[in-house]
Amino acid sequence: EVVMTQSPTTLSVSPGERATLSCRASEIVSSNLAWYQQKPGQAPRLLIYGASTRATGIPARFSGSGSGTEFTLTISSLQSEDFAVYYCQEYDCCKRFGEGTRVEIK
Amino acid sequence: EVHLVESGGGLVQPGGSLRLSCVASAFTFSNYWMSWVRQAPGKGLEWVANIKEDGSEQYSVDSVKGRFTISRDNAKNSVYLQMNSLRAEDTAIYYCARDEVGGFFNFWGQGTLVTVSS
Repeated sequence: EVVMTQSPTTLSVSPGERATLSCRASEIVSSNLAWYQQKPGQAPRLLIYGASTRATGIPARFSGSGSGTEFTLTISSLQSEDFAVYYCQEYDCCKRFGEGTRVEIK
Repeated sequence: EVHLVESGGGLVQPGGSLRLSCVASAFTFSNYWMSWVRQAPGKGLEWVANIKEDGSEQYSVDSVKGRFTISRDNAKNSVYLQMNSLRAEDTAIYYCARDEVGGFFNFWGQGTLVTVSS
């Protein structure tokens, strides 16, 4: 059973700075990895699929990279609307989600 | 614009049953797998179950096997989750989501809250 581990749990970043979020799979999931953003009281929003393909309407400041077991979501210059919780999800096996990284204002 | 609307959540006692519904619009429902994903209060996301386009295949996470059943009615653009033998740990917001090719989720409903408590 694949386990998705996200780090850090919380990331404190100033507006305009870069944020780098990590996601590690316990087994190889190829590039079958998605990232979601979730704000309080809202459903998740798809950001990235295929490890690096931005979903429709997602700003270019969001980028994804990695394959196999190690993945990264980078937000190049944080905007106020980007402070949220981010989840990774593998869909190679069992649709497992990571536990999330909270990006908060520093 | 794709729209998913869940209903049927509420308060139920442990051991009780509940049926969730999700109505879809603005896409050809019968062309897509559909899933239920849940989120316990203050916790992360957990995929619960999904169903093939024609309803011929269903899959679920181990923790709900034998208790939850996913079904669909393509004539009504609807997917359902029958939840039996509910436990306190099933308390969560339940989201309906459209499966994209491969298994990620591009469209989500707003969620319906299920609370299992005596």
